[in-house]
Amino acid sequence: SQQGEEDPQALSIQEGENATMNCSYKTSINNLQWYRQNSGRGLVHLILIRSNEREKHSGRLRVTLDTSKKSSSLLITASRAADTASYFCATDARNTDKLIFGTGTRLQVFP
Amino acid sequence: GAVVSQHPSRVICKSGTSVKIECRSLDFQATTMFWYRQFPKQSLMLMATSNEGSKATYEQGVEKDKFLINHASLTLSTLTVTSAHPEDSSFYICSAKGTGHYHTGELFFGEGSRLTVL
Repeated sequence: SQQGEEDPQALSIQEGENATMNCSYKTSINNLQWYRQNSGRGLVHLILIRSNEREKHSGRLRVTLDTSKKSSSLLITASRAADTASYFCATDARNTDKLIFGTGTRLQVFP
Repeated sequence: GAVVSQHPSRVICKSGTSVKIECRSLDFQATTMFWYRQFPKQSLMLMATSNEGSKATYEQGVEKDKFLINHASLTLSTLTVTSAHPEDSSFYICSAKGTGHYHTGELFFGEGSRLTVL
């Protein structure tokens, strides 16, 4: 399977704390993306990092990419209860249009 | 962001019937759409890639006669679950690859359709 793996599978933190999720993938990529999914809903795109980039920021989100280790991390700083959701990384294998999603991390932020 | 509309959001059907799910891109022409299936508390599994005007490309292990995909226009793709059985009960999500102003590399997702087969 091409599917990437994420850890932890589940993460519970208090509001104000930082949340870090990690993603490992298997094939060479053009870019890696992170998505968020609220329970029973569709996915919302958070951030895209290209294979030649090492770090990217968007608001309270910080994403890193290490292509030598085939891994990425998503850091959410100063978390809020509204950040409670599942977070998925997704990679596109070179020469394809397809996005393959990781196993996901379920984040619970307690007020 | 761009809007992808998926309908119906929930459907309950009897075993043996067929169910059609529609996915529309409202803000751009979607030459490529993707259909995913998601089991509870699991990730999204790609079922097929839908290309406008041509046959869909199915992932390994996905029965093309069971899950019929039609992408007859630049804004509409449909997934028909034929002769549905309880094991087909799942959350089906479509997504569209953005074009034009929305050609950013990200996918735009519908809100998903929860299918329950009795």
